[in-house]
Amino acid sequence: QKEVEQNSGPLSVPEGAIASLNCTYSDRGSQSFFWYRQYSGKSPELIMFIYSNGDKEDGRFTAQLNKASQYVSLLIRDSQPSDSATYLCAVKRGGGNKLTFGTGTQLKVEL
Amino acid sequence: DVKVTQSSRYLVKRTGEKVFLECVQDMDHENMFWYRQDPGLGLRLIYFSYDVKMKEKGDIPEGYSVSREKKERFSLILESASTNQTSMYLCASSNSFDQPQHFGDGTRLSIL
Repeated sequence: QKEVEQNSGPLSVPEGAIASLNCTYSDRGSQSFFWYRQYSGKSPELIMFIYSNGDKEDGRFTAQLNKASQYVSLLIRDSQPSDSATYLCAVKRGGGNKLTFGTGTQLKVEL
Repeated sequence: DVKVTQSSRYLVKRTGEKVFLECVQDMDHENMFWYRQDPGLGLRLIYFSYDVKMKEKGDIPEGYSVSREKKERFSLILESASTNQTSMYLCASSNSFDQPQHFGDGTRLSIL
């Protein structure tokens, strides 16, 4: 079992819809969770991070964390074509010093 | 805004060469990281540093070394480049291990 798993996609959603990206992790000691967006040929850029169970909202983005079920999600409301990218989930173990990245989910927002 | 600058966007070298990749951050961050990113394999940690002259191996350190002589600068060294080291190399920095990492633009390295 991979430490951090994401569906590679592509996930296709129509413009204006909600995109839901999911990430599961295997280490119950994980404490910190990060979502990055990566456009083709570019480096990852941070979208959000979350440490506590529940939801965290920032503009059109909402991160949802459920530690009991070991998953973290990213919701993108009112999806735009400019949201088309690969979304990387990264997880850090409590007390650890490294991030473990998933391989990413490719999102396509169609006109 | 955090600025992480990598010295080259594209680099072509030959097998057996010693290759240096440079990374500079301007936010006085304690931690710096080197990753490589390959299709289907995702981001993999090569080395990281948590203080000047302090370093730790990541998940795939073989064939690489690092140097951190100053807080703002972290160098990745390919001791004797091989074709399987052709990859995208990404440098990142963070203020603490619990804080987000911020990435440079990456160096696409080709070893011929």
